[in-house]
Amino acid sequence: DVKVTQSSRYLVKRTGEKVFLECVQDMDHENMFWYRQDPGLGLRLIYFSYDVKMKEKGDIPEGYSVSREKKERFSLILESASTNQTSMYLCASSLSGSNTIYFGEGSWLTVV
Amino acid sequence: DAKTTQPPSMDCAEGRAANLPCNHSTISGNEYVYWYRQIHSQGPQYIIHGLKNNETNEMASLIITEDRKSSTLILPHATLRDTAVYYCIVRTPNNAGNMLTFGGGTRLMVKP
Repeated sequence: DVKVTQSSRYLVKRTGEKVFLECVQDMDHENMFWYRQDPGLGLRLIYFSYDVKMKEKGDIPEGYSVSREKKERFSLILESASTNQTSMYLCASSLSGSNTIYFGEGSWLTVV
Repeated sequence: DAKTTQPPSMDCAEGRAANLPCNHSTISGNEYVYWYRQIHSQGPQYIIHGLKNNETNEMASLIITEDRKSSTLILPHATLRDTAVYYCIVRTPNNAGNMLTFGGGTRLMVKP
């Protein structure tokens, strides 16, 4: 089975803190994604990566950055957390050329 | 990607088949029908997908009408753990996850 693992399920951070959300997949997938999910707004793509060291902006990249130094790992960074970044963050991965996206369990981030 | 329409909620008795409909009347020839579900507080889970033939896997069956304008996801013997929001999505075959848009979905409540 494909496994996408997000390192933290629940985090509480202070405004202005730098936050790292880590994601690892074990199926050698080329594509990896970070989404956030908010009530009434559905799933919104923040960034995605189709190869090591490659990254592309999604729909809402402002306030976020990403890092893909190894194929299996995709990190989301909040440089200076703000309260409007309180959300559920979902990491996902897929094989190149495949439309099937596999999601992690999600990370609930609260910024106070 | 084509838009989909699903009923907002459905109930199903435990042990009975759950039939979840989806309309996608504007689907184009190269778009696949995908189903995901999301159990409360977890990431979306891939269930099944198809192009025009009916598909079955260990989780569910997917029935696509001949004109491809609608489909039905069938959970043959629903259990309480199948209570979730079910999302029907139509997608073109490309590498980027930025076209993955979850609509409102159908909230399936499986009752004892």
